[in-house]
Amino acid sequence: AQSVTQPDIHITVSEGASLELRCNYSYGATPYLFWYVQSPGQGLQLLLKYFSGDTLVQGIKGFEAEFKRSQSSFNLRKPSVHWSDAAEYFCAVGAAGYQKVTFGTGTKLQVIP
Amino acid sequence: GAGVSQSPSNKVTEKGKDVELRCDPISGHTALYWYRQRLGQGLEFLIYFQGNSAPDKSGLPSDRFSAERTGESVSTLTIQRTQQEDSAVYLCASSLTGQGGEKLFFGSGTQLSVL
Repeated sequence: AQSVTQPDIHITVSEGASLELRCNYSYGATPYLFWYVQSPGQGLQLLLKYFSGDTLVQGIKGFEAEFKRSQSSFNLRKPSVHWSDAAEYFCAVGAAGYQKVTFGTGTKLQVIP
Repeated sequence: GAGVSQSPSNKVTEKGKDVELRCDPISGHTALYWYRQRLGQGLEFLIYFQGNSAPDKSGLPSDRFSAERTGESVSTLTIQRTQQEDSAVYLCASSLTGQGGEKLFFGSGTQLSVL
């Protein structure tokens, strides 16, 4: 069975600082990996996804994520955080031909001035 | 429609009552998903539909939960004899074909409160 672990429940960063949110997955084959963001009062929105090819994936809003098979990780990064990035971030895993997408428990990001 | 629409946005009910939650997916999307998000927790998969059939019902917590979908359109999630632990945000999502790796488009959710 596929699973996702987001070890950080809550992270606080200063505006302009860099950000890395951790995600570890468990899946037997090559997974689809996703990062979604849930901003206050808004629905979940896809930031980026990975299946194959370049292990560094670029997404919207200046986010990127790197797939590391050896570490079963798919960490989300941003070089310089903006106050509007304050939200909850969910890592998710899916599989080709199998429609169930499993989400992690989320990391809540707080941005301070 | 332009996006996934869920109704009601908020529902307060008394313990033991039945509730129906509605999801209207993006027009043309064949796959539809229901998730539950309890306070402070991640998204819990409940069920997904491919067209009007539900190949995977593994996430439904108990037989009090059921869901149906008419054609490739509206879906209804029904919770019978609600319990306080059913209080959560119920999220619906749709995708174009349901193939693995597709982007999910989420609605804004229904906040269910069971008193």
